Amino acid sequence: DQQVKQNSPSLSVQEGRISILNCDYTNSMFDYFLWYKKYPAEGPTFLISISSIKDKNEDGRFTVFLNKSAKHLSLHIVPSQPGDSAVYFCAASLYNNNDMRFGAGTRLTVKP
Amino acid sequence: DAGVIQSPRHEVTEMGQEVTLRCKPISGHDYLFWYRQTMMRGLELLIYFNNNVPIDDSGMPEDRFSAKMPNASFSTLKIQPSEPRDSAVYFCASKLGGVSYEQYFGPGTRLTVT
Repeated sequence: DQQVKQNSPSLSVQEGRISILNCDYTNSMFDYFLWYKKYPAEGPTFLISISSIKDKNEDGRFTVFLNKSAKHLSLHIVPSQPGDSAVYFCAASLYNNNDMRFGAGTRLTVKP
Repeated sequence: DAGVIQSPRHEVTEMGQEVTLRCKPISGHDYLFWYRQTMMRGLELLIYFNNNVPIDDSGMPEDRFSAKMPNASFSTLKIQPSEPRDSAVYFCASKLGGVSYEQYFGPGTRLTVT
């Protein structure tokens, strides 16, 4: 069962514009959410996270928003750069639980 | 630290053969995870260990899959016999204990079973 869903397999944006990647989850017990970034031939690397007690977390050009009532989170990248082109995975975890569920990923392409 | 190390990076084998994937976690990390990535299902957790003990193997698809962690610095994932549908990228990840959620991934092993 896909408890974490990324419904857009790909996204293309122009350099300098905003990229918005979306993620939906079904388990209301998830209490921690992470975004990972993956380049070809490399493993995923941690990008940014958010606890369920918050609705926003910002780190430089990256901001994650959490809407618990809608069971939805999004990653905003502003401004987008060509080096941001990668696959982005959304992940969710229960409190103090190591069983992290990943979405299928969204391939972001930032065009110069 | 060198990060999580996986070997081989690529493996091509024929159906029915045994395949062994290897992982060296980051030193000091208490947890080790094995994932499989496919186009259809994304990243799936197969099994994870805490202090070398398997905790949850409910993601292991079949009895053909087995994993071991004989010590804190080494783990293997074995497929015997392998089948074409096992073709995927297999990732190993490790993390610290406590309240840390962040997992550190290796570069993956791309397995092709013909």
